[in-house]
Amino acid sequence: NAGVTQTPKFQVLKTGQSMTLQCAQDMNHEYMSWYRQDPGMGLRLIHYSVGAGITDQGEVPNGYNVSRSTTEDFPLRLLSAAPSQTSVYFCASSNRANTEAFFGQGTRLTVV
Amino acid sequence: GQQVMQIPQYQHVQEGEDFTTYCNSSTTLSNIQWYKQRPGGHPVFLIQLVKSGEVKKQKRLTFQFGEAKKNSSLHITATQTTDVGTYFCAGMDSSYKLIFGSGTRLLVRP
Repeated sequence: NAGVTQTPKFQVLKTGQSMTLQCAQDMNHEYMSWYRQDPGMGLRLIHYSVGAGITDQGEVPNGYNVSRSTTEDFPLRLLSAAPSQTSVYFCASSNRANTEAFFGQGTRLTVV
Repeated sequence: GQQVMQIPQYQHVQEGEDFTTYCNSSTTLSNIQWYKQRPGGHPVFLIQLVKSGEVKKQKRLTFQFGEAKKNSSLHITATQTTDVGTYFCAGMDSSYKLIFGSGTRLLVRP
């Protein structure tokens, strides 16, 4: 039982490049979400999903896209990376909304 | 949208001293969750409070949920070096967004 798996763990991008951060969970959780963490700013919600086929915007969605074609996977896409997107990204899942969230190990992204 | 504020931002204590962090929401919450993040790690769930005025204890940690369900606190009695980390509260709004506070970073001097 791996829990929530994020790949890659580290990534360096050039401004304007695109990439996808992967997130997979093996707990059959309905609710999944993406956060970014910047120093002194806590965790800010980017996008979330209450189930397969359903996604919605969080607090800071601009510059990011998501999709939820399966229960297990919730990839986060950066279409054109900007230095302001340098951050640590966490994916989380929970059985339902309003229950304990399990976090992945995080992806440290640097945009130069 | 919902905002969750947490104070203080930092707390540096001597081992054995107590520690408290406070969380305030701009809206009434259905419940509140608390997480701990060790340096370099990911947030780990500690507890969830649901009822107005609820108090829960986990060993040296005491969690409270306010009567109006808009504020909460975490109190650690007799801190230890293993308590070092950042403590976050999080509340879910009516559209199922789980919003985190900015966290309180606890440093413990041995």
